[in-house]
Amino acid sequence: EVQLLESGGGLVQPGGSLRLSCEVSGFTFRSYGMSWVRQAPGKGLEWVSTIVSGTGGRTQYADSVKGRFTISRDNSKNTLSLQMNSLGADDTAVYFCVKAGGYSNGPGMYYFDSWGQGTLVTVSS
Amino acid sequence: DIQMTQSPSTLSASVGDRVTITCRASQTITTWLAWYQQKPGKAPKFLISKASSLENGVPSRFSGSASGTEFTLTISSLQPDDFATYHCQQYNDYSLTFGGGTKVEIK
Repeated sequence: EVQLLESGGGLVQPGGSLRLSCEVSGFTFRSYGMSWVRQAPGKGLEWVSTIVSGTGGRTQYADSVKGRFTISRDNSKNTLSLQMNSLGADDTAVYFCVKAGGYSNGPGMYYFDSWGQGTLVTVSS
Repeated sequence: DIQMTQSPSTLSASVGDRVTITCRASQTITTWLAWYQQKPGKAPKFLISKASSLENGVPSRFSGSASGTEFTLTISSLQPDDFATYHCQQYNDYSLTFGGGTKVEIK
């Protein structure tokens, strides 16, 4: 059974940093692309970042987080991470760790077949 | 970025109704579209990929179709477990985008 377990969310002040982790099991982690998707309270889903399978040499970011967030993976620990810096109120959301189910025109253009339960990040003073 | 416009934003229906949700892309995405179901306080659940390919285990009352840049999710006979919010997502390029969601509520 595929399992994705996020951790690291919490309350952080504007301008602060937070690191999210996602520990996975039930599949060969290194063989799948992974992403983070967030959902602000009462809002829709927003893609945040993607890292392709393997050593994670290719990454993609939404314009809203580019230069502030860094996605990474540790295949030896079956863990996906998201380092978030310079956080603002607009970053307040539940952050979901998601597993790629397949892609369209190339790795990175994913849909997602498994989702974690999410971790809440609240940016507030 | 490709914009995904879902309609309606809210839909009131009864058990047994046929329900149709539409998602329109701002440019061509061929059939690179997925659908998800989300219940309150829960993570989304994957339903359909490539516009019409049903995930294993998803009831056959769910179906998806495509016509140009317009995509449709249909529930043929709404069941109590189907009251939820539905999201579409395009994966035609690297900047993935979701529709705004359609909440299916009890009439």
